Amino acid sequence: AQTVTQSQPEMSVQEAETVTLSCTYDTSESDYYLFWYKQPPSRQMILVIRQEAYKQQNATENRFSVNFQKAAKSFSLKISDSQLGDAAMYFCAYRRSYTSGTYKYIFGTGTRLKVLA
Amino acid sequence: EAQVTQNPRYLITVTGKKLTVTCSQNMNHEYMSWYRQDPGLGLRQIYYSMNVEVTDKGDVPEGYKVSRKEKRNFPLILESPSPNQTSLYFCASLGTSGGGRTDTQYFGPGTRLTVL
Repeated sequence: AQTVTQSQPEMSVQEAETVTLSCTYDTSESDYYLFWYKQPPSRQMILVIRQEAYKQQNATENRFSVNFQKAAKSFSLKISDSQLGDAAMYFCAYRRSYTSGTYKYIFGTGTRLKVLA
Repeated sequence: EAQVTQNPRYLITVTGKKLTVTCSQNMNHEYMSWYRQDPGLGLRQIYYSMNVEVTDKGDVPEGYKVSRKEKRNFPLILESPSPNQTSLYFCASLGTSGGGRTDTQYFGPGTRLTVL
């Protein structure tokens, strides 16, 4: 069975600095998707970034980028130039390939990010 | 506006009193899902549906029922709620394009359920 592990329950970063959130996963499949979701105090789940396992290039979205290490089964999120609005709970998630016939998602336990002014 | 709606947003009930949390999406998505979020446990999938009349268990289905009679609706039913079902519940839907390569999962705003 697939699993997703976020080993950092809480992290802090100074405003304008860079922070990296860790995520590891376990799967025997070769084709899958990985995601980072942000959950601010409003509780809304917001997709931050996604990575397709067949792509070697790391995904980037503005100040957010990932370090995808397929062999190590690692998927970390880097937030550059941190802003107060980045303060939130961040969830890493795994999903099997569309060709598997299911869209079952598996989420990690989350990392709470605090941004210090 | 593309959205997933849930009702009610907040609910306090008592043990054993049947309740239904509704979920509706306006994007004609095939896939819908229910999650519960608990502190320290992240989001755990309860049930999901690949299409009308097609549902399957997630990781924590005990104590819950679902039905998918229409594409847009996916209600979550608690026949006899218990205090351990106190949680934050999310409904989500997923649309596919490009053979599933560019799909995005949309989440509803969440339902805070308290069972006394």
